[in-house]
Amino acid sequence: DTGVSQNPRHKITKRGQNVTFRCDPISEHNRLYWYRQTLGQGPEFLTYFQNEAQLEKSRLLSDRFSAERPKGSFSTLEIQRTEQGDSAMYLCASSPTGVKHTEAFFGQGTRLTVV
Amino acid sequence: AQKITQTQPGMFVQEKEAVTLDCTYDTSDQSYGLFWYKQPSSGEMIFLIYQGSYDEQNATEGRYSLNFQKARKSANLVISASQLGDSAMYFCAMRESTSGTYKYIFGTGTRLKVLA
Repeated sequence: DTGVSQNPRHKITKRGQNVTFRCDPISEHNRLYWYRQTLGQGPEFLTYFQNEAQLEKSRLLSDRFSAERPKGSFSTLEIQRTEQGDSAMYLCASSPTGVKHTEAFFGQGTRLTVV
Repeated sequence: AQKITQTQPGMFVQEKEAVTLDCTYDTSDQSYGLFWYKQPSSGEMIFLIYQGSYDEQNATEGRYSLNFQKARKSANLVISASQLGDSAMYFCAMRESTSGTYKYIFGTGTRLKVLA
């Protein structure tokens, strides 16, 4: 399967702990996006990369959140000192460059529950 | 700033009938793309249809069509001959192309329930 892959699919953590999620995009896609989705809402943009460069980061993203894409392939999203409000689905998506208009291809998400 | 508005939190439609899901958008860009995604209860985001701002004809993909009215900044999704499997959340999204940002912005979604 060559789709976007996210791990883990589910994560339960205690408040105050750090968590890290991984996203493997479609191999030929240069752009990679992270979104957060809470119940009944649309995906909320967090950040995106073109190759290894982080080009935009949402102002809603606190300093506890950090994302990397060290070699321009997979990406990690880390949340430090988790809070109950961080409970959400974290979605990763990728898209190619060089195509003017193309849809984002989404992974199945990582559902985070902070207890 | 770019924004997507979906004013219908929930919709019902009888099986085999057509339904229109509303989407309006706001952008100052001349070049942009509009997208519709379906999200079933399983959670995956499924791409349905795309409309470019310079496309003169409305996009169609099987039972899905996009009613694009550029002057009114609306991009409504029409689903014809609804099926029970169409019950899901539907999200409208936009991506600008000339402002240098390539992020996709989503609306709050419409939950569609198809009745047997």
